[in-house]
Amino acid sequence: DAKTTQPTSMDCAEGRAANLPCNHSTISGNEYVYWYRQIHSQGPQYIIHGLKNNETNEMASLIITEDRKSSTLILPHATLRDTAVYYCIVAPYGSSNTGKLIFGQGTTLQVKP
Amino acid sequence: DGGITQSPKYLFRKEGQNVTLSCEQNLNHDAMYWYRQDPGQGLRLIYYSQIVNDFQKGDIAEGYSVSREKKESFPLTVTSAQKNPTAFYLCASSILAPSYNEQFFGPGTRLTVL
Repeated sequence: DAKTTQPTSMDCAEGRAANLPCNHSTISGNEYVYWYRQIHSQGPQYIIHGLKNNETNEMASLIITEDRKSSTLILPHATLRDTAVYYCIVAPYGSSNTGKLIFGQGTTLQVKP
Repeated sequence: DGGITQSPKYLFRKEGQNVTLSCEQNLNHDAMYWYRQDPGQGLRLIYYSQIVNDFQKGDIAEGYSVSREKKESFPLTVTSAQKNPTAFYLCASSILAPSYNEQFFGPGTRLTVL
């Protein structure tokens, strides 16, 4: 079973920030938080990952709470092309890393004009 | 261009026939993965391989088989023992690094068993 909980769906207006929450209350100290997204009928795409500090790249920002039990993915200026299913995944690093990822059902983000 | 190719994009087979899905990568990645996705659901891991000539079962391996004879290739065979094979199949690859898990996905093969 997935170790994360996400809302089933969310809407966002085009040009506004999209904030996607994720609960991972059982996360271990040696696990990263990853975000992937899947545009309809395509393979998933890596977005960002983090351990405990906030992270930003050209696609998004990741805010992780101090207790690491939840996180928020932020798309700062959502466009129609950001309409997709967003998956929040926790996975170990270091010697426990098998490369496996467990995908839950994710959040379907609908960006509206 | 580097990437992962899956062929064919759409595949139709009669019930009771085995079918092999192709996955090739030119990213020089050590690890490769096969996932299955049913409508409205997340991805479920079928098999994965971290090195040539070695592979491990994922969460739903029953009715499937794989081989990893070359680093670049990881074909998946859907056998007649798979009870409900109609699904979207995704192949992925990654480097093997202790620090993180960025997997690169192919475009997928949509298998329909009639």
